[in-house]
Amino acid sequence: AQKVTQAQTEISVVEKEDVTLDCVYETRDTTYYLFWYKQPPSGELVFLIRRNSFDEQNEISGRYSWNFQKSTSSFNFTITASQVVDSAVYFCALSGKNSGGSNYKLTFGKGTLLTVNP
Amino acid sequence: EPEVTQTPSHQVTQMGQEVILRCVPISNHLYFYWYRQILGQKVEFLVSFYNNEISEKSEIFDDQFSVERPDGSNFTLKIRSTKLEDSAMYFCASRRQVLGTEAFFGQGTRLTVV
Repeated sequence: AQKVTQAQTEISVVEKEDVTLDCVYETRDTTYYLFWYKQPPSGELVFLIRRNSFDEQNEISGRYSWNFQKSTSSFNFTITASQVVDSAVYFCALSGKNSGGSNYKLTFGKGTLLTVNP
Repeated sequence: EPEVTQTPSHQVTQMGQEVILRCVPISNHLYFYWYRQILGQKVEFLVSFYNNEISEKSEIFDDQFSVERPDGSNFTLKIRSTKLEDSAMYFCASRRQVLGTEAFFGQGTRLTVV
């Protein structure tokens, strides 16, 4: 079975602060994919990033960066210089070859509600 | 940019009524999914669909649920006799292939059972 844990239920920061959202996963698969999705107050799920299990390079996209560490089964997400528009629920998700089923279904964490105050 | 579209955006129904939630996946995608999110909780897998048949379903997806791809473009989720606990946001997602691609989600249908 696969599992995603986002231990931080809610985080509140002031604009321009940096913030890191934690994600720890469990899987028995050797091939798997990790994702982050953003859910703004309007409710839709917006894809942010996909990372496969063989690629441990960290990635930066503008103010967003991701730190994948296989040794600790973590895939953390950092927002630099946060803005009010970053306020949303952020979900980490996992999709694995065997425990994800033949169609690689996504297993989501419970999400972290990020509130960025002006 | 192509997107997954869902209709309606919000549906209110009486307990015991049948509802059909509709989705139009991205046109060259082959894998389709329904997920559910009860208010304030995590997103949960319901069912996956490939090659015109269900490939996997969760324990949530009982006999009250069914899916169809009636015309090659739409992908529907039917709940035969709704219960109060079916109230949730329902997301449709599609994927071009399972390896190396992400699932794109629709904007969701908020179902309220009264």
